[in-house]
Amino acid sequence: ETGVTQSPTHLIKTRGQQVTLRCSSQSGHNTVSWYQQALGQGPQFIFQYYREEENGRGNFPPRFSGLQFPNYSSELNVNALELDDSALYLCASSLDGQNIQYFGAGTRLSVL
Amino acid sequence: KNEVEQSPQNLTAQEGEFITINCSYSVGISALHWLQQHPGGGIVSLFMLSSGKKKHGRLIATINIQEKHSSLHITASHPRDSAVYICAVRRGGSQGNLIFGKGTKLSVKP
Repeated sequence: ETGVTQSPTHLIKTRGQQVTLRCSSQSGHNTVSWYQQALGQGPQFIFQYYREEENGRGNFPPRFSGLQFPNYSSELNVNALELDDSALYLCASSLDGQNIQYFGAGTRLSVL
Repeated sequence: KNEVEQSPQNLTAQEGEFITINCSYSVGISALHWLQQHPGGGIVSLFMLSSGKKKHGRLIATINIQEKHSSLHITASHPRDSAVYICAVRRGGSQGNLIFGKGTKLSVKP
């Protein structure tokens, strides 16, 4: 149990739709990172938020956007869904100045 | 070429065997993580290393910074060790993102 919760656990959408995934960080953690894990692959970094500001972004298009709230919970939004967006989306929280990230169980998104 | 390479991709062992999973990376790092991912997706952090060796129960992780290589060892393997083991490196400072290997799928047979 890492103290990081993600919702929903599973989601089915159709191409062109929009989706919002949610992550509740471990208490006191002010940094959240989002990752996309395609089947059979390692996770790929999407972006990171630190104290409500984007603090780094991977090689993902602008239709992937995020938000971090004052309580440090976070959302990942994906617009204009494509079939290749089908993946496990993981969030991980950490505390400023520490390297250890605590992962949630992930949201499995299927785009049909 | 991926910045983080793991070998082997798949590994099947008999219960009790000593297991080694390798990780090589090509970038400068501030830390290396070994993670365990069970079916269904949940990831658990096993070790974070910046030098030397760490041990936790039957698990041992080593890192050689000069050679940019790390190994994860499992002694007296057990079927419950069956999972995907992922090596990830942190580039830059403490807020740097993780770069992941593709993982090694371990299956331990009774």
